[in-house]
Amino acid sequence: DTAVSQTPKYLVTQMGNDKSIKCEQNLGHDTMYWYKQDSKKFLKIMFSYNNKELIINETVPNRFSPKSPDKAHLNLHINSLELGDSAVYFCASSLHYQGLPEKLFFGSGTQLSVL
Amino acid sequence: AQTVTQSQPEMSVQEAETVTLSCTYDTSESNYYLFWYKQPPSRQMILVIRQEAYKQQNATENRFSVNFQKAAKSFSLKISDSQLGDTAMYFCAFVQGAQKLVFGQGTRLTINP
Repeated sequence: DTAVSQTPKYLVTQMGNDKSIKCEQNLGHDTMYWYKQDSKKFLKIMFSYNNKELIINETVPNRFSPKSPDKAHLNLHINSLELGDSAVYFCASSLHYQGLPEKLFFGSGTQLSVL
Repeated sequence: AQTVTQSQPEMSVQEAETVTLSCTYDTSESNYYLFWYKQPPSRQMILVIRQEAYKQQNATENRFSVNFQKAAKSFSLKISDSQLGDTAMYFCAFVQGAQKLVFGQGTRLTINP
């Protein structure tokens, strides 16, 4: 069974479109994340949710809207896609110990290409 | 701001050799975790090893071990008896009270036959 699964794996779309990426974890973790990996492989956090509550919101355009219907799901909706949004988006989840994430489990990533 | 620096963009060694990847970080906190993640061409992010800052003993996982120097804020990864399957991007990462994992720029490691 896949621990953190995200769909789709690949997404090719035109500029200006709206798209969503879905993520689900079956590990029972309380915290979920979205990370963006750019063309230079740099990974940067975008959002973090704990038990459906937003706890980290980095400097991300408001065209990006995360939604967590329950603690096992964290979806990412992107409006009015731009060329610069092309990247690999990773979902992750974690347990916490003494207030810190013990380790992150990552999904396999969604490669978004905006044409 | 938390920063993690990997000073080696690329490294290349022969199969069976030992290789060490460097990482330094910046923090004023005393409680934090450090990680090494591996990203092979499949794109999957795989946890290699984790170190708790309060533990003086260096973490080891089979052929992978770390040299954690807390005072120097250094966290290097040693891969012994390297294998072709170790070819990947390796990311050092750090987390403290802000609860977000901050990653270094990555080191592209190639193991040659």
